[in-house]
Amino acid sequence: AQTVTQSQPEMSVQEAETVTLSCTYDTSENNYYLFWYKQPPSRQMILVIRQEAYKQQNATENRFSVNFQKAAKSFSLKISDSQLGDTAMYFCAFMYYNTDKLIFGTGTRLQVFP
Amino acid sequence: DAMVIQNPRYQVTQFGKPVTLSCSQTLNHNVMYWYQQKSSQAPKLLFHYYDKDFNNEADTPDNFQSRRPNTSFCFLDIRSPGLGDAAMYLCATSRDRASSYNEQFFGPGTRLTVL
Repeated sequence: AQTVTQSQPEMSVQEAETVTLSCTYDTSENNYYLFWYKQPPSRQMILVIRQEAYKQQNATENRFSVNFQKAAKSFSLKISDSQLGDTAMYFCAFMYYNTDKLIFGTGTRLQVFP
Repeated sequence: DAMVIQNPRYQVTQFGKPVTLSCSQTLNHNVMYWYQQKSSQAPKLLFHYYDKDFNNEADTPDNFQSRRPNTSFCFLDIRSPGLGDAAMYLCATSRDRASSYNEQFFGPGTRLTVL
């Protein structure tokens, strides 16, 4: 069965600092997609960043970037210049190519302190 | 704003009493999903519709059913809720299927309590 592992249940960071959230996954497939979703307290989950496995270049969206290591099956999220609004639960997710099913990790709760 | 709406946000039901959760979307997306998210756990896909084509996950209990009467609405029916069904239920949509560019848009969730 496909698994996504987030080994850090909780993390904290000072405002304006950089934090990295870890994610590893297990698959024997070569084509798939990876995502980071953010779920702020009492608000809906939103997509932060996505990566296609066939692309070697790491995805970047403003202050958010990933370190995708396909051979190691690792997909970490780096948040630069952390802001108070980044406080949320962050979920790493995997999707097989040509399917609709997102497989989520258990999440990392990030607290940004002033 | 176009969005995914879930009603109610909080639902309390009694053990064994059928309950229906609703989801609507103004995005005109083809795909609608239902996820179950138990406390401190990952969201887990229960089933999804591609248009009217229903796709059930193999490990979704028979107690859970869904209806999609039109593009905009999708319902989750729990026929006989047990204590273990207490969870947050998330509805999501995507424009089309099977591509990373078909971002899934989530609603705020319905938190179900079973007494």
